[in-house]
Parts: sequence; C-alpha cells; structure tokens
Amino acid sequence: DQQVKQNSPSLSVQEGRISILNCDYTNSMFDYFLWYKKYPAEGPTFLISISSIKDKNEDGRFTVFLNKSAKHLSLHIVPSQPGDSAVYFCAASARKLTFGQGTILTVHP
Amino acid sequence: KAGVTQTPRYLIKTRGQQVTLSCSPISGHRSVSWYQQTPGQGLQFLFEYFSETQRNKGNFPGRFSGRQFSNSRSEMNVSTLELGDSALYLCASSLRQVEDTQYFGPGTRLTVL
Repeated sequence: DQQVKQNSPSLSVQEGRISILNCDYTNSMFDYFLWYKKYPAEGPTFLISISSIKDKNEDGRFTVFLNKSAKHLSLHIVPSQPGDSAVYFCAASARKLTFGQGTILTVHP
Repeated sequence: KAGVTQTPRYLIKTRGQQVTLSCSPISGHRSVSWYQQTPGQGLQFLFEYFSETQRNKGNFPGRFSGRQFSNSRSEMNVSTLELGDSALYLCASSLRQVEDTQYFGPGTRLTVL
C-alpha cells in the first residue's frame, strides 16, 4: 500500500526552463512533507520541506506547493540547471517518514 | 562536522547467512533511522532509534533488527538472508525527531547470492 506516490518515474527538461515534480499521498495524518535529492552512490540530501499548515514554501530556486484538499504536493525548480539532474524523492511524515518511489530528473544543456 | 558514516559500503553474502551493518550519526544527533532502497520501491522505512530505544518500526519481518548504543551509533542486523534482501541500506540521523532534517549516509550496498 503506497501511501506516497510519485507517478512519473522520469522527467526531462531543458536548461533554464521550469521542472515540476509531483507527489500524491493518501494518509490524512501526514503533517510534514519533504523533498530529497539523490545522486548515484550518495545518500539522499534534504532540499526543502513544508508543514501541513502552509501551502507554499520557497528556498531560492526551489518552491514546494501543498494542496491538502487534493492530497498533492509539487516541487518547482526555476530555472533548472544541469547540476539538478538527480533522483528526487518526496517524503511525508506522521512520526515516521514515508517516501515515494522517486523521479529521475534530467536537465539537458 | 563529519557526516553520517556507514560501514561497510559494499557487502556480498549468500542466502541463509546473516549480516550486520553499522552507522555512525552526526555528532550530537540522537535519532537514527534505517531505510531499505530497492528499484521501484523507493525508500522503505525499517526502524528508528532514539536514546537506545526503538521508537518506530516499519513493516519488515522480524529477521530485520537493530540496536543503538549509548554514543548513538547504531547497528542493523538481517538474519537468514534472502535474495530479496539485496538492496541499498541507508542510515539517517537527526537531532531529536524524525521531523527534524534527516542527514543520510552513503549507504551499504548488500548483494545476496
């Protein structure tokens, strides 16, 4: 039972354009959401988070949007850079973290 | 500040054997969580330890166990290995709670033959 789903296994974007990564969840008890980025042969690194009491959080080129009624969150990267190419995981917290399956983002120069 | 370290980085075992993986958290971090990453499954939560006590547990069989020492270092043990246990095992540490930012180690790649 996947409580956190990233339905797009991969996304390809041109450098300078916007990357939008999506995540859906089913558990209403989740109260905190996070995005992690993972390069090959490294552990995931924290990118940005959002509490369930907010609907938007910005940090530089990264913005996370939360739509609680739709149980949907998204990560926007603007502008996308080749160094952003990695696997992106969304995660949701209700005393423990539940991760999605990940989306491979490729940013072409 | 040193990051989370995991040893060994790579491990090859055969079915039926047991294995112990080690994780040293960031200095001052008291919460250590373990995850299993397999292709197509994302990261699946195994368990979390805080102050030497298991605080949360995921949906894994009893063959998977762990412990935490007084210096916050943690070990994970898998007994009676199965082929399906082949995965990347990641350890993450945070200050106090799972909701605090988790810092991940590079992982231990376990291959079961």
